[in-house]
Amino acid sequence: QVHLVQSGAEVKKPGDSVKVSCKASGYSFTNYFMHWVRQVPGQGLEWMGIFNPNDGSTTYAQRFQGRVTLTRDTSTTTVYMEMSSLRFEDSALYYCARDRLGYPHDTISYGMDVWGQGTTVTVSS
Amino acid sequence: QSVLTQPPSVSAAPGQKVTISCSGSSSNLGNNYVSWYQQLPGTAPKLLIYENNKRPSGIPDRFSGSKSGTSATLGITGLQTGDEADYYCGTWDSSLSTGVFGGGTKLTVL
Repeated sequence: QVHLVQSGAEVKKPGDSVKVSCKASGYSFTNYFMHWVRQVPGQGLEWMGIFNPNDGSTTYAQRFQGRVTLTRDTSTTTVYMEMSSLRFEDSALYYCARDRLGYPHDTISYGMDVWGQGTTVTVSS
Repeated sequence: QSVLTQPPSVSAAPGQKVTISCSGSSSNLGNNYVSWYQQLPGTAPKLLIYENNKRPSGIPDRFSGSKSGTSATLGITGLQTGDEADYYCGTWDSSLSTGVFGGGTKLTVL
């Protein structure tokens, strides 16, 4: 059974960095793209970036470029999302979501068919 | 301001049909597949429709999708109280080179 299990809630101060993990199981890790999506409480979904576990390539939404880094550990089938220079407005629920497709398709969104449970990041002084 | 435009809310009575629209542009819906997601309160989004009109296994045929040009529509028939949720359209924007979502539509089953 396909699962994405994310790390636990985080509380950070403005200016800190946070690293959220997303452990994949039940499928071939390198064959499917992984997205990160965030949701501020009471608001809609915001796409942050896409990661290709096959070659480590990434594409980020412009507003997160330079502040978000997506990486992987193939040995543990885990994808990481690290965000630096945290601001109060980064307080949100962060999701990893597997794309329906992956290598060798173009690295775009074809539909996110499996989602993690979400990780709450709270930025507070 | 979302790249894709959805109505903030729709409502209908149990058993009835409802449609949710999603409007975009040539760089997103005009040239890429649309997906639809259902987010029940307090849960992660769930894929309902992919490639404009295909349903993942386990999604009942009460849910349907269509796309024409730069607009897409999600249809739900035989409404149930359990369908009360937020619904989002999503696609890829080839000009921005990013994924994009609509702002979401809250469905109320009266």
